[in-house]
This record gives sequence, C-alpha cells and structure tokens, in this order.
Amino acid sequence: SQTIHQWPATLVQPVGSPLSLECTVEGTSNPNLYWYRQAAGRGLQLLFYSVGIGQISSEVPQNLSASRPQDRQFILSSKKLLLSDSGFYLCAWSVPGGKETQYFGPGTRLLVL
Amino acid sequence: AQSVSQHNHHVILSEAASLELGCNYSYGGTVNLFWYVQYPGQHLQLLLKYFSGDPLVKGIKGFEAEFIKSKFSFNLRKPSVQWSDTAEYFCAVSPYSSASKIIFGSGTRLSIRP
Repeated sequence: SQTIHQWPATLVQPVGSPLSLECTVEGTSNPNLYWYRQAAGRGLQLLFYSVGIGQISSEVPQNLSASRPQDRQFILSSKKLLLSDSGFYLCAWSVPGGKETQYFGPGTRLLVL
Repeated sequence: AQSVSQHNHHVILSEAASLELGCNYSYGGTVNLFWYVQYPGQHLQLLLKYFSGDPLVKGIKGFEAEFIKSKFSFNLRKPSVQWSDTAEYFCAVSPYSSASKIIFGSGTRLSIRP
C-alpha cells in the first residue's frame, strides 16, 4: 500500500534562517506531488505541484521554492524565512490520469520567530 | 482564475440535525469535484468525489453531494449528523483540462453538540 511521509512534524526557526521540509511517497511510481500551506481560517493554499522529476509548477509568488530530486521525493525550501512563512505545510500525492484523488501526509507545523 | 467559495466558516449543529454545506466554484469548463474532511488530529482525507455521470454522489459515512452545473455548486449533505462528524470540511475543484491542479476552498468547521 502507498504511504506518504513528512518530516519534521514540528519546526521552530528564527527569521532569516533557511528551511528544508521533506516529503516522500512509498508504494507508487511517478506520482503527482503537491505542497500546500494551511493557514487558520484560510483553507488550503496550493504552493507547488510536480508531475515529474525536475518539473515544478509554482502557484504563488513567494519566499519559498520546491524541488523534486527523485521520483518520490518532494522538498520545500527557503533561503531566508519570514514571519509570514509560519503555518502548517501539507504534502500530497496523486496518481496521474485526469481523475485525481489526492492523498495527504501528516503535515509539518512551522513556526517562524 | 479558478476559485472555490465555502461561505459557511463555522457551522454548529445538534446531533440528528440535517446538514448542508455550501460550495461554489468559478470555472467555465468541465471540472472534477471533491469534498475532503479533516477530523481532529487526523490527516486530510477524501470524503467523496464527482467526475462524471450521476450528479448525486454518495460518499463515506452517509454523506452525499449534488453537482448542479447551472449553479456551479457542489453542496455537501447529510440527513442526520453525529457527534463524530465534528471536523473541518474542504471543497475542492480541478479543471478537467489540468487535473493535476486542485484548488481548495477555505474550509467549513463543523461542530456537533452531543
């Protein structure tokens, strides 16, 4: 069966520090991968999605970037965190094919101080 | 740009009451439609989905949703809620032409009084 992992689960970082959040999927090949930010009262905001290795689509101009170095690995990064980057970050995957159900990871709660 | 609106931010009901959560989207073409649910302390998970065919879709735990194309709506319903339905509910839409991109609504928090 397929599983999705995210780490760390919780992270507290100072303003201006770098960020690297990792997401990996097991049990499937060539998934579509997604990064979302969930802010209280604001729902899920799609940040990036990827349909293959090295292919990243950015949905919102911001301080963050994403990379997909391997088929089932998706990384969210920042060179210098801002206070506004605080939030709950969710990774998700789906099977490509036009009728996509997304499967979500447990999330990473990021607090920038 | 495509968007999804959930007008009810927080709904409070008593057990056995009927539920309807509104969802409207803006997109002129063919769409796939979803409702996701996030129970306290759990992962976000799929509740039901519509791709084509019968516009009345049945999901898990007695939930259903009706796609009304003329109203660009996909409202979620349940005839009799239970305390265990307390959760946050998200409506989501993906344009069929770009199914990899799924847009979520802001969510509706449902609180059920025992």
